[in-house]
Amino acid sequence: SAVISQKPSRDICQRGTSLTIQCQVDSQVTMMFWYRQQPGQSLTLIATANQGSEATYESGFVIDKFPISRPNLTFSTLTVSNMSPEDSSIYLCSASTGDHQGYTFGSGTRLTVV
Amino acid sequence: QKEVEQDPGPLSVPEGAIVSLNCTYSNSAFQYFMWYRQYSRKGPELLMYTYSSGNKEDGRFTAQVDKSSKYISLFIRDSQPSDSATYLCAMRTSYDKVIFGPGTSLSVIP
Repeated sequence: SAVISQKPSRDICQRGTSLTIQCQVDSQVTMMFWYRQQPGQSLTLIATANQGSEATYESGFVIDKFPISRPNLTFSTLTVSNMSPEDSSIYLCSASTGDHQGYTFGSGTRLTVV
Repeated sequence: QKEVEQDPGPLSVPEGAIVSLNCTYSNSAFQYFMWYRQYSRKGPELLMYTYSSGNKEDGRFTAQVDKSSKYISLFIRDSQPSDSATYLCAMRTSYDKVIFGPGTSLSVIP
């Protein structure tokens, strides 16, 4: 299965600023996803990162707040814009090769907004 | 009603016990079912991946799917302290959108 590297692993940011999280996969994958995991909670899908086209956002998440790029089949970024303390969470990148081998996750980015 | 429900625990068992973790779901379109293990401060790690109803075994882990009842289970035999983690069930339709359960926290006591 694919190996995912995510960075930064953690960051503390000032409110009103933006942070870009990078996700690098060691092989080409068909699907890439971004999740948020709030403290003590399960994973919530933010969006599907589509290669060569705009990301597909889930209800409650918008492109202006969480712009996503996916320039090729191995890389994606998620930006958390105009941050507030409510954005403090773990952000996780996930990928699938689409061959029924399941979905792999990165180790996550632990974001604290102060 | 949430799409995927899971008893959050915490569940505490003695070492060597058989652990049963369960999820129920409401969307009959789910076809692919997964179990993830997540250690504290780590990303989820895929344990089991199954399609449709039936059982799948991998070492000490057995995943069971009953689509007629919309119920899935993960059994852990001979549980070890290293199995202490949060276990997340997950499922998807054929369109690749994965929905996660809330997770069950498991502690295996030596």
